[in-house]
Amino acid sequence: DQQVKQNSPSLSVQEGRISILNCDYTNSMFDYFLWYKKYPAEGPTFLISISSIKDKNEDGRFTVFLNKSAKHLSLHIVPSQPGDSAVYFCAASGTGTYKYIFGTGTRLKVLA
Amino acid sequence: EADIYQTPRYLVIGTGKKITLECSQTMGHDKMYWYQQDPGMELHLIHYSYGVNSTEKGDLSSESTVSRIRTEHFPLTLESARPSHTSQYLCASRGAGKEKLFFGSGTQLSVL
Repeated sequence: DQQVKQNSPSLSVQEGRISILNCDYTNSMFDYFLWYKKYPAEGPTFLISISSIKDKNEDGRFTVFLNKSAKHLSLHIVPSQPGDSAVYFCAASGTGTYKYIFGTGTRLKVLA
Repeated sequence: EADIYQTPRYLVIGTGKKITLECSQTMGHDKMYWYQQDPGMELHLIHYSYGVNSTEKGDLSSESTVSRIRTEHFPLTLESARPSHTSQYLCASRGAGKEKLFFGSGTQLSVL
């Protein structure tokens, strides 16, 4: 029973265009969501997070949107750059738990 | 930004060997984690510590053990490595409250 789902294993986008990565969750107790970027054989790097009291958080080229009623969040990267090519993981956590639950990741390829 | 270190980065060993994967952080974080990740899969929590001398097993059953004698150090030990232990092992830490996880660079373990 996967509580955090990333249904698109891969995504290809042209350089300069928008990349949209999606994530769905099932546990209504989750109230904190994060996106990480990961290169092969390296540890994940934090990108951006959002609390459930917000529906949008922006940091430079990265924006995360949260739709609590749909239990859905998305990461927008604008404009996409070749260096953004990596695997992106979304993660979720809830109040009163130490656990961070991760999705299976989406491999983004930005084409020059 | 992330002051969390894992050694070795890569390890190739034979079946039956005892190994210890090292993880240290200099941020004074109480909470530390070990995750296991295979390509195309989510990160699975295998161990968690919320402070010195406190450890818990994670969601994914693991034959590894951990110790937390000092705040900054959270080593993982496999008493007898097997090919099924081949994976990437990721150490992480975080501060109090709703905070992001900081990850180390990971250890890529191959058991022959």
